Amino acid sequence: QQQVKQSPQSLIVQKGGISIINCAYENTAFDYFPWYQQFPGKGPALLIAIRPDVSEKKEGRFTISFNKSAKQFSLHIMDSQPGDSATYFCAASKNSGYSTLTFGKGTMLLVSP
Amino acid sequence: GAGVSQSPSNKVTEKGKDVELRCDPISGHTALYWYRQSLGQGLEFLIYFQGNSAPDKSGLPSDRFSAERTGGSVSTLTIQRTQQEDSAVYLCASSLGTRASAQPQHFGDGTRLSIL
Repeated sequence: QQQVKQSPQSLIVQKGGISIINCAYENTAFDYFPWYQQFPGKGPALLIAIRPDVSEKKEGRFTISFNKSAKQFSLHIMDSQPGDSATYFCAASKNSGYSTLTFGKGTMLLVSP
Repeated sequence: GAGVSQSPSNKVTEKGKDVELRCDPISGHTALYWYRQSLGQGLEFLIYFQGNSAPDKSGLPSDRFSAERTGGSVSTLTIQRTQQEDSAVYLCASSLGTRASAQPQHFGDGTRLSIL
């Protein structure tokens, strides 16, 4: 059973455009939602994260939008740049106590020059 | 270095052989995780260590997989009698503790395992 569903699987965006990646979760106990960025040959690196007490979090060109009732959250990359080309993973976990991250299957983003 | 270190970076072995993958976590990080990343499958949790507590082995796919963490630091993931479906990138992560938002997981660059 896949607890975090991520779409699209791949995405091509022109430089300067907006990249949008969507995730949906099933477990209502989840209350921490990070996004990880992974470049080829490297491990994933934490990009931005949100707790469900807010509907949006922005850090530079990266924004997470969160819809608790729909159990969905999304990553928006504004003014996308070729250097943003990477694989993006959403994840979810419980924030209290011990909990491992449950990851989506990833989105391969290509930003064309 | 200051990050999570994994070795080897690449490992090619024949089917049926045993392999050992090593992870050096960030100094002071008490929590250590192993994940497996297969093509198009995201990151699959394998095992978790926290301090001196018993590890959570719930993600290990079979009894051919085992892991140890010595002295609360270095960890070794062992795969016995490797099969072709074991081919994947094995990622290690560490964190200061278990509260996800305050102590995020930091990943190493992984070991790419290829079974011939």
